[in-house]
Amino acid sequence: NAGVMQNPRHLVRRRGQEARLRCSPMKGHSHVYWYRQLPEEGLKFMVYLQKENIIDESGMPKERFSAEFPKEGPSILRIQQVVRGDSAAYFCASSYMGDFTDTQYFGPGTRLTVL
Amino acid sequence: GDSVTQMEGPVTLSEEAFLTINCTYTATGYPSLFWYVQYPGEGLQLLLKATKADDKGSNKGFEATYRKETTSFHLEKGSVQVSDSAVYFCALTLGNDMRFGAGTRLTVKP
Repeated sequence: NAGVMQNPRHLVRRRGQEARLRCSPMKGHSHVYWYRQLPEEGLKFMVYLQKENIIDESGMPKERFSAEFPKEGPSILRIQQVVRGDSAAYFCASSYMGDFTDTQYFGPGTRLTVL
Repeated sequence: GDSVTQMEGPVTLSEEAFLTINCTYTATGYPSLFWYVQYPGEGLQLLLKATKADDKGSNKGFEATYRKETTSFHLEKGSVQVSDSAVYFCALTLGNDMRFGAGTRLTVKP
């Protein structure tokens, strides 16, 4: 049973380009969460999605960032016009239930470097 | 707002030493509490959790007890191994949100 998959594992972008990060949840999970981890810091919640719905995006910057979780295919975190401050590790997690007390299973992360 | 404060690192111990990593929380309700571990270059893995007061979570020799009176969830292990070297995160969930501490880096030397 494959765990949470994220790709790419490493992504390098120049300032002003777009970054697309993909997350495939564990089989049977329909709840996806995105987190950002800055160097030497903890994870910061960004957004919580169910299939075709954004449930909570309170942690996501209002501009340049968007997320989706379509009926078919992986969840996508999209960052437009990247800046150096977007450099971070982005982790996706999935859970079976939408209750936050349910265990979240994390992917290996995508490390974004903006030059 | 709801938050987690954990002991600053880094922590360096010799093999077989006793480990304590402190974690305290602030929450308006009754959160669930978690410890996650992150090995180099990997994502977070759930280590243990407790969902109500006085619950004890345990796994792989680690344990933590949900103490409502002191709003704490300290992580302990009686005898650490080199393979326990990692970053440990305390976290809480309350409603539709999950908050993480800043992480504590543990290095265990042979």
